[in-house]
Amino acid sequence: NAGVTQTPKFQVLKTGQSMTLQCAQDMNHEYMSWYRQDPGMGLRLIHYSVGAGITDQGEVPNGYNVSRSTTEDFPLRLLSAAPSQTSVYFCASSPRTALYGYTFGSGTRLTVV
Amino acid sequence: QKEVEQDPGPLSVPEGAIVSLNCTYSNSAFQYFMWYRQYSRKGPELLMYTYSSGNKEDGRFTAQVDKSSKYISLFIRDSQPSDSATYLCAPSLSNFGNEKLTFGTGTRLTIIP
Repeated sequence: NAGVTQTPKFQVLKTGQSMTLQCAQDMNHEYMSWYRQDPGMGLRLIHYSVGAGITDQGEVPNGYNVSRSTTEDFPLRLLSAAPSQTSVYFCASSPRTALYGYTFGSGTRLTVV
Repeated sequence: QKEVEQDPGPLSVPEGAIVSLNCTYSNSAFQYFMWYRQYSRKGPELLMYTYSSGNKEDGRFTAQVDKSSKYISLFIRDSQPSDSATYLCAPSLSNFGNEKLTFGTGTRLTIIP
C-alpha cells in the first residue's frame, strides 16, 4: 500500500515554462486536494476534487489547473511558471469520512527562476 | 483576522519537558479539531483529533479544546527528540473528507537531548 505518491520530488523551472506535478493514490479515496506550503503562510488549498470528473477551486487557484479523470490520479498543471510559484506542493487524499485524517504525499519542491 | 492563528515558533525545549502548543480560531462553527505533525521534508500526518470541547489523551499527547474562548492546545509530556517536528492545527466544520481544511501556519518544535 503506497498511499499518496507525488512525482517529481524536486523540480527547477524557468519563468514561463509549464509542467505537471503528478499525484496518485491507491487507497480508493474519493477526495483529493493540492496544497502549497510557504514559510509563514502554512498550507494553502489550491484545488480539490470530491470525485472523478469533479474539481473546484481552493484559496489560491490562479496559475494552476487540475483534472480528475480517474479516482486514482489528480495532476496539477502549472500553465506558465512564475517565481511566486516557488513552493513545496503537497497532494492529499481522504475517504468520505476523514476521521483518520488526510493522507499526504511527501511533497514536490518547486523552484522557479 | 486569519481564520486560524498559530505561533510559528520556533520552540526549543530540553528532553523530558512538557510542551504546550496552541492555536486560536475565529469560526465558532468548527466542531472537529485536528493536530497534524510534519517531519522535515515530509508531508503532514494526523496526530490526533478531538470533537467539540474537552480533552483527549493519546499516550504522551493530550489535545484540549475550549470552544468558549476558541482556543485549542496540544500538550506533549516527557518530550523526546523524536517529537521534533512542525505541528499544525486544523479545525474543521465536519469530519467529512470533502471538508476544505484550514491549517494553522504550524509551530516548529525542537527537543534538545
